[in-house]
Amino acid sequence: DAGITQSPRHKVTETGTPVTLRCHQTENHRYMYWYRQDPGHGLRLIHYSYGVKDTDKGEVSDGYSVSRSKTEDFLLTLESATSSQTSVYFCAIKGGAGLQGQYFGPGTRLTVT
Amino acid sequence: GENVEQHPSTLSVQEGDSAVIKCTYSDSASNYFPWYKQELGKRPQLIIDIRSNVGEKKDQRIAVTLNKTAKHFSLHITETQPEDSAVYFCAASQETSGSRLTFGEGTQLTVNP
Repeated sequence: DAGITQSPRHKVTETGTPVTLRCHQTENHRYMYWYRQDPGHGLRLIHYSYGVKDTDKGEVSDGYSVSRSKTEDFLLTLESATSSQTSVYFCAIKGGAGLQGQYFGPGTRLTVT
Repeated sequence: GENVEQHPSTLSVQEGDSAVIKCTYSDSASNYFPWYKQELGKRPQLIIDIRSNVGEKKDQRIAVTLNKTAKHFSLHITETQPEDSAVYFCAASQETSGSRLTFGEGTQLTVNP
């Protein structure tokens, strides 16, 4: 599992409220990613990080912000949740030597009512 | 940006038959092509990948082929088993550009006993 955890695993929130999802890794990986998964769209990149305080936008970044103040934590924030942000959110890391490719966390199911 | 198309969206085979899933990509700079398997309610799992300097790669019953000229790559599963039933995703990225993955929309593979 590449030492990746996500919290919370499930969350229900109301439209207009802020929400923060946490991704935590224990193996000092440099690259971390946030994706969302929706039926008919596969997985789409929201934001990614290539180091502490170094982040960049993905293809569906509107309405989301991220922060990475420590190597092990990558936070995804929905400033004001909307129903269109109801989704399953996956965090991923890019493996280093001996662990090629990207590896995903267990996911967070977010419902915005 | 990169665009990845995946076909078919659903595939049903009999146990023991072969299954082939095809993907095309648009950006000739893409050089890394992973395949993921996702079982219901689980995280995507990397099952095989290929880089642009290789035309084919095999791992037991699965293989991936890449045609850079035509910009398409395929996943081949031989001697299918019921436990191969899952959603399979292809993806493409440039490894020197943050390794941001662009995913296809997925193929639901069902292996009938």
